[in-house]
Amino acid sequence: KAGVTQTPRYLIKTRGQQVTLSCSPISGHRSVSWYQQTPGQGLQFLFEYFSETQRNKGNFPGRFSGRQFSNSRSEMNVSTLELGDSALYLCASSLGGALDYGYTFGSGTRLTVV
Amino acid sequence: AQKITQTQPGMFVQEKEAVTLDCTYDTSDQSYGLFWYKQPSSGEMIFLIYQGSYDEQNATEGRYSLNFQKARKSANLVISASQLGDSAMYFCAMRETGNTPLVFGKGTRLSVIA
Repeated sequence: KAGVTQTPRYLIKTRGQQVTLSCSPISGHRSVSWYQQTPGQGLQFLFEYFSETQRNKGNFPGRFSGRQFSNSRSEMNVSTLELGDSALYLCASSLGGALDYGYTFGSGTRLTVV
Repeated sequence: AQKITQTQPGMFVQEKEAVTLDCTYDTSDQSYGLFWYKQPSSGEMIFLIYQGSYDEQNATEGRYSLNFQKARKSANLVISASQLGDSAMYFCAMRETGNTPLVFGKGTRLSVIA
């Protein structure tokens, strides 16, 4: 079965611009989570969507937002980009619910802000 | 407070030897799940093994086993018969009850030498 697909794989943006990243989960998975990974801070949780509703939110400024569509695909948007937003953004999908429902990750989008 | 602690930033192991990657966690929940992921240089997070807090047996998956010591709140990953392809970052993660997100430790970089 197809895995989690993230597009684009690489992105270069200028400070002040906005960016939209996309994530297509495994078929049947209703939960999509987003993480930011940087060398200094490690993996930090951004938010989780389940059945089109934001279920959890991490400690990020309002410039970071997301949404989920009825087909479970998710997008995250970062407005007014800062140099510190340069990171690997990982999306993970899950059936949701039970603790042993593992997360399957995509290959990530590497965002560079210049 | 740090929920997941991985105290080894980097480890070296000889090919074909076994290696233990340390992970301690902090939770007041009785029910929780512990995960290990591998992240090669390509960036994708690969699920390795899962241990539930109520599981009496240590989890095993091929060459991976999890040394679960509940009273000490530790969940160490043991990789037997290391291979060159095992060189990667390894992350310990935990989910608590109540649809909470997966929380990661800072990771351990494992290098397997021939």
